[in-house]
Amino acid sequence: DAGVIQSPRHEVTEMGQEVTLRCKPISGHDYLFWYRQTMMRGLELLIYFNNNVPIDDSGMPEDRFSAKMPNASFSTLKIQPSEPRDSAVYFCASSLRLSVGTQYFGPGTRLLVL
Amino acid sequence: LAKTTQPISMDSYEGQEVNITCSHNNIATNDYITWYQQFPSQGPRFIIQGYKTKVTNEVASLFIPADRKSSTLSLPRVSLSDTAVYYCLVGDDRDDMRFGAGTRLTVKP
Repeated sequence: DAGVIQSPRHEVTEMGQEVTLRCKPISGHDYLFWYRQTMMRGLELLIYFNNNVPIDDSGMPEDRFSAKMPNASFSTLKIQPSEPRDSAVYFCASSLRLSVGTQYFGPGTRLLVL
Repeated sequence: LAKTTQPISMDSYEGQEVNITCSHNNIATNDYITWYQQFPSQGPRFIIQGYKTKVTNEVASLFIPADRKSSTLSLPRVSLSDTAVYYCLVGDDRDDMRFGAGTRLTVKP
C-alpha cells in the first residue's frame, strides 16, 4: 500500500484565495482525520470522518474551513477565503478504527498564505 | 482524554540512552499510553503502546509504574536520526487522537 497520499505537498497562495487540500486514505481504513500543525499551537485535530460521515468538527477554526469526504478514497479540506494565519502544515491521517496508536499519517501539505 | 505533561525539549549525545517522561495523573482505567515520533517534514508515526509494566519493541521501551500516573519512553543508544518530536497520548479505543506539544529531542554528535 502506498500509505496516505496528500496533495499538493506545497501550496503558496495569496490572501483571499480559495485553497483545496486533498487526501487519499489507506484503502480499507474507515476513519479519516485532518490535522493542522503550527509552531505556536502544535498539532491540532480539525475534524474526523467515519465511513465518509463527519463525526467531530469541533476543531475546525471557523466557517472559512470546510471538509468533505465524498467517498471512501478521497477527502478535501477547503479554506475560503484564506488568510495569512492559516499558514501551517496540514496532515491527513487514516485508521482502521478509532483507537489511539492506529493512525497512519500522510506527508502533509505545507501551506503558505501571503 | 487524560491530560498529559511532558518536557518541551531535551538534548542528548549519540550513543546515550534517552528517557522521556510523561505525566498523566488523571489516567482512566481503560486508557492506554501511546507514543508517537515525528521527524522534521513528516507526519507523526506510532512507535510504542502499553497499559502497564514494561513494553519493548525494536525501536523503544516503555516503562509504566503500578499507579500508571506517569510513563517513560526509553530510547537506547540514540543516533542523530533519532532527532524528532516525541508525543505522549493517553486514551482508550473510543477517544479521538489529540496531540500535545510533545518533547523535542535533539541528538548531538
